Amino acid sequence: KQEVTQIPAALSVPEGENLVLNCSFTDSAIYNLQWFRQDPGKGLTSLLLIQSSQREQTSGRLNASLDKSSGRSTLYIAASQPGDSATYLCAVPGGQKLVFGTGTRLLVSP
Amino acid sequence: NAGVTQTPKFRILKIGQSMTLQCTQDMNHNYMYWYRQDPGMGLKLIYYSVGAGITDKGEVPNGYNVSRSTTEDFPLRLELAAPSQTSVYFCASIRQAGQGLGANVLTFGAGSRLTVL
Repeated sequence: KQEVTQIPAALSVPEGENLVLNCSFTDSAIYNLQWFRQDPGKGLTSLLLIQSSQREQTSGRLNASLDKSSGRSTLYIAASQPGDSATYLCAVPGGQKLVFGTGTRLLVSP
Repeated sequence: NAGVTQTPKFRILKIGQSMTLQCTQDMNHNYMYWYRQDPGMGLKLIYYSVGAGITDKGEVPNGYNVSRSTTEDFPLRLELAAPSQTSVYFCASIRQAGQGLGANVLTFGAGSRLTVL
């Protein structure tokens, strides 16, 4: 059974810092991995999708890496801004479903 | 494109009442999902469907029912509402959950906030 863990559960940083969010999964036989953002009281928005054949995917200040062999993905946020404050979740396919981590709650202070 | 549309956005129910949360997607996605998210908690899968006429239980199906008569629609029915069903409900869809073709991005609706009193 696929299990997904995200560390840390919460993170508070001053504006401008570079930061790394971690996602670990137990079954490395995945086809892809997705990172999502959830703002308070809102739905989830897909940020990045990494296919199993890729090692990295970039979108603006976001960079996600995938190491299937070690069962890990990282989301790197460069030059963080208060607008980045949200909960970030990763998800991997588990059969016909996506298995979600519990998320990292990020707070970026001005 | 509208993506995934959920209605209603908010609803207050009394214990024992029933209601249906509607979910429609216009992306011709095969797979559709219903999740619930309790305050400060992660997503829990209630039911999912891999195509019209096919549904299956997720982690927390008790107290809910679904149907998938068309590719577009995946309504979630709550029978005999209980306070434990107070939550935010999210519908999501994806073309194919596994390897599939192209980028299989899971798309979420905006959510339906349900309170049972």
